[in-house]
Amino acid sequence: KQEVTQIPAALSVPEGENLVLNCSFTDSAIYNLQWFRQDPGKGLTSLLLIQSSQREQTSGRLNASLDKSSGRSTLYIAASQPGDSATYLCAGILIKAAGNKLTFGGGTRVLVKP
Amino acid sequence: DAGVTQSPTHLIKTRGQQVTLRCSPKSGHDTVSWYQQALGQGPQFIFQYYEEEERQRGNFPDRFSGHQFPNYSSELNVNALLLGDSALYLCASSVISGVDTGELFFGEGSRLTVL
Repeated sequence: KQEVTQIPAALSVPEGENLVLNCSFTDSAIYNLQWFRQDPGKGLTSLLLIQSSQREQTSGRLNASLDKSSGRSTLYIAASQPGDSATYLCAGILIKAAGNKLTFGGGTRVLVKP
Repeated sequence: DAGVTQSPTHLIKTRGQQVTLRCSPKSGHDTVSWYQQALGQGPQFIFQYYEEEERQRGNFPDRFSGHQFPNYSSELNVNALLLGDSALYLCASSVISGVDTGELFFGEGSRLTVL
């Protein structure tokens, strides 16, 4: 059974500092890994999708890497801003044949202080 | 291009009642999945619908049922509500095709409170 873990559960940084968010999964047969942002009481906004054949994806200040051999993915947010305060969730799809079913981590709640 | 839309946004029910939540997928998407997110936790997969059939199901009791319509929209029904069913219910859409990236797009959710 695939399990996804995010540590730490909460993180507080001063504005301008780079953020490093960690995600680990138990099954290296993971197909895709997707990072999401969630604001309080809101839905999930897709940030980055790393497909099976890829090792990283970049969008603006965001960069996500995927290392299947070690069972880890990392989301980097450069030069953090107060507007980056949110909960960040990673989710993996184990195998494509199972359809697009995501297994989520518990999330990391980020606070960027001005 | 409208994204994933869900209704209602908030609702309050009492124990034992039944609730129906609705979802319209993103344009061009044919697959709808439902997730339950309890406060402070990551979403848990309930089930997924494709071609009007339940494709796969998570570890949820039969009180949770769904339906997909020919226009790809979907409903989630929960019978005999329990206090523990209070959560944010999220709908996600995706496309199953020869170029399936597996990327899911989520709606804003329906916040259900059971009293």
